[in-house]
Amino acid sequence: GAGVSQSPSNKVTEKGKDVELRCDPISGHTALYWYRQRLGQGLEFLIYFQGNSAPDKSGLPSDRFSAERTGESVSTLTIQRTQQEDSAVYLCASSLIYGYTFGSGTRLTVV
Amino acid sequence: GESVGLHLPTLSVQEGDNSIINCAYSNSASDYFIWYKQESGKGPQFIIDIRSNMDKRQGQRVTVLLNKTVKHLSLQIAATQPGDSAVYFCAEKSSGSARQLTFGSGTQLTVLP
Repeated sequence: GAGVSQSPSNKVTEKGKDVELRCDPISGHTALYWYRQRLGQGLEFLIYFQGNSAPDKSGLPSDRFSAERTGESVSTLTIQRTQQEDSAVYLCASSLIYGYTFGSGTRLTVV
Repeated sequence: GESVGLHLPTLSVQEGDNSIINCAYSNSASDYFIWYKQESGKGPQFIIDIRSNMDKRQGQRVTVLLNKTVKHLSLQIAATQPGDSAVYFCAEKSSGSARQLTFGSGTQLTVLP
């Protein structure tokens, strides 16, 4: 596609529920990143996929967070047993070499 | 770990004036820097980048300056316009990492009429 697409754009969930966030990267971009952005703060790295290599999961804050990517296509970020502190905007970016292109994010609110 | 920080959380400038947004970094292995602009409700958008073998790079109305001696990066916006109001992030990549960017906390730029 022309840009990085994320869905849903907004998600409200009850504490304890699981959520899945989706990212469609730019076609041909081999690298895909997930970041978390809390209100008024910078971007916190979560996970990085590069082609078929093992992902860099060093930024995932707990074992409740996981992500998958099939080849160089869609990625899904899953948060299990959501907590209120998980409320944030989750941003996805893809890149070929340099020059990350971000999606508009998914705003997650845990109530 | 290493951090990238911004000197000022907010900046207000008059329309038409020049804006300067500053960023300090601490990782001496940083070899690539990017400035992003994030408007409300949107993802960050690439503005301009610079490699560590350069000290200045110019774009359309924007200039990035890099001072490796004091580990300082700045973004200059000429003739600031209302559409420039946004949060600006600097980000750095370490030569030892695989394309992961570390972002600063951002500066909110407000352009006054």
